Amino acid sequence: GENVEQHPSTLSVQEGDSAVIKCTYSDSASNYFPWYKQELGKGPQLIIDIRSNVGEKKDQRIAVTLNKTAKHFSLHITETQPEDSAVYFCAAYSNSGYALNFGKGTSLLVTP
Amino acid sequence: EPEVTQTPSHQVTQMGQEVILRCVPISNHLYFYWYRQILGQKVEFLVSFYNNEISEKSEIFDDQFSVERPDGSNFTLKIRSTKLEDSAMYFCARGSQDEAFFGQGTRLTVV
Repeated sequence: GENVEQHPSTLSVQEGDSAVIKCTYSDSASNYFPWYKQELGKGPQLIIDIRSNVGEKKDQRIAVTLNKTAKHFSLHITETQPEDSAVYFCAAYSNSGYALNFGKGTSLLVTP
Repeated sequence: EPEVTQTPSHQVTQMGQEVILRCVPISNHLYFYWYRQILGQKVEFLVSFYNNEISEKSEIFDDQFSVERPDGSNFTLKIRSTKLEDSAMYFCARGSQDEAFFGQGTRLTVV
């Protein structure tokens, strides 16, 4: 089955700096890669996703890159703000299954 | 698009009891999911439900668990004979074959 590894587990940056979170996956058939933001006591919220036919996608301060050859994808947050502080999860979906496989999460802290 | 609504937000139950967690999605979605998140751990897939049938289930989803959509609207997860290790956040999600949009979750505490 699919195995998703996520690094780092914790990340602390100063407001205004960039944050990068990286994930790798094992199933070469995976073709959909969403990123979720989870604030304390809430459910995961989809913030951006990328499909296997593109290498990069950007939405304002958030971007995701995908390297299918290396089987890794990354989340980039620029000009970080304190409200970006949360746990971020990557996930991968493969047509061989019916569900998302999640990474273990990255706790991002943005300090003013 | 709106997410799903989950009830209750917090459920406390004694070990060995049965609990039913409820999810109210928008009725025209075909794919529904239940996921579980033990405190401080990653989100784990339990079961997917498509066209009123289970389409896939994980090894976590054993005979202790069942899902149904009895009236075409509410989507329920039943956990029989609860154990201490069933304590977790349970998330319902709706979506398409790959996308999933999560509810706020039900915190289940088994004592």
